[in-house]
Amino acid sequence: QKEVEQNSGPLSVPEGAIASLNCTYSDRGSQSFFWYRQYSGKSPELIMSIYSNGDKEDGRFTAQLNKASQYVSLLIRDSQPSDSATYLCAVPSGYSTLTFGKGTMLLVSP
Amino acid sequence: DAGITQSPRHKVTETGTPVTLRCHQTENHRYMYWYRQDPGHGLRLIHYSYGVKDTDKGEVSDGYSVSRSKTEDFLLTLESATSSQTSVYFCAISETASSYEQYFGPGTRLTVT
Repeated sequence: QKEVEQNSGPLSVPEGAIASLNCTYSDRGSQSFFWYRQYSGKSPELIMSIYSNGDKEDGRFTAQLNKASQYVSLLIRDSQPSDSATYLCAVPSGYSTLTFGKGTMLLVSP
Repeated sequence: DAGITQSPRHKVTETGTPVTLRCHQTENHRYMYWYRQDPGHGLRLIHYSYGVKDTDKGEVSDGYSVSRSKTEDFLLTLESATSSQTSVYFCAISETASSYEQYFGPGTRLTVT
């Protein structure tokens, strides 16, 4: 069973700060990684996909992948209260399927 | 989730009754998935489909069955609902197996009393 581990949080940051969310995974052969954002009472929304070592930037979001250390992180710059949500990390677990971490709750205070 | 709908959105049912949840997509995606989400357990895969009439089990398939007779519809059936199946159920779709990018429907909140 492939495992994906995330700190449940909550991670509390002030508005304007950088929020750093981390995810570790057990399968050394994983090639792609995904970050989902889930607002309370809503469905998960795909916000970032990363397929190779290094950084991938999209607006205020940066995904960082380190395959040697088996972790992937999501940085949110200039955090806003609207970023308050639970962030789920996911990795492939089989043919077309994903395994999700339990998520990290982020709270951004004004 | 504009191209994915789930029905019903909320349902309360009694233990022992059958329940069917429907997922409908307008994206013509080949792959469809059913998840349940529970506090402390996160999202867990119940069943998935890789084409019409092609389905397979996920991590927590006991007590559930699925059917897919058309590309756009994926049904999840609880043959005899139990209180442990009280959960939020999400459907997801994916265009290709290799991309692994999945897009979620709005969810169904099911309560079994």
